[in-house]
Amino acid sequence: DAKTTQPPSMDCAEGRAANLPCNHSTISGNEYVYWYRQIHSQGPQYIIHGLKNNETNEMASLIITEDRKSSTLILPHATLRDTAVYYCIVRGQGAQKLVFGQGTRLTINP
Amino acid sequence: GAVVSQHPSRVICKSGTSVKIECRSLDFQATTMFWYRQFPKKSLMLMATSNEGSKATYEQGVEKDKFLINHASLTLSTLTVTSAHPEDSSFYICSASQLAGGPNEQFFGPGTRLTVL
Repeated sequence: DAKTTQPPSMDCAEGRAANLPCNHSTISGNEYVYWYRQIHSQGPQYIIHGLKNNETNEMASLIITEDRKSSTLILPHATLRDTAVYYCIVRGQGAQKLVFGQGTRLTINP
Repeated sequence: GAVVSQHPSRVICKSGTSVKIECRSLDFQATTMFWYRQFPKKSLMLMATSNEGSKATYEQGVEKDKFLINHASLTLSTLTVTSAHPEDSSFYICSASQLAGGPNEQFFGPGTRLTVL
């Protein structure tokens, strides 16, 4: 599976949009981009995934560049409860396991 | 979404004893379960993949005789840490998958914090 690169930490003001970048320059054609988050001392929580097109659900939006070498997770109106470590993971369609990198520690400030 | 539970949530044991952690898929049948370990301020490290009714596949560097994994049913997998030592103290997390290769089918448990004295 392709490797991902994320900034180690980010801050965002409560109520503002949080934009979390992820680079995956070696992604191949059949690999999906997944986002999970982990709130302190809990198991990871699935957020969203995508292949080529931008995706949106009740939690977030995922913007994937046309060349698929990078993506951005957008939390439109961040709240204090969104403070967590966010993981961007690339995984092939036929693969099962998720390989976690270091993620981005997002802190939402009041 | 599907729910995965773990028991116990916390366990403290003496060095040299064995500890069993259970992972259950509560409302779906899990063909595959995964076990992860996480040290403080570190990322999750995959330990092993287990498919129901077959032997687990361990990641490189994980001792299979020390971390015994059993996946006897489609809703239950267990991880037994044998002869635990203080360096085994960690946060152990399981996840369960319904279908192989699907997009978002992997669901995580809340984790078990193991402290070995």
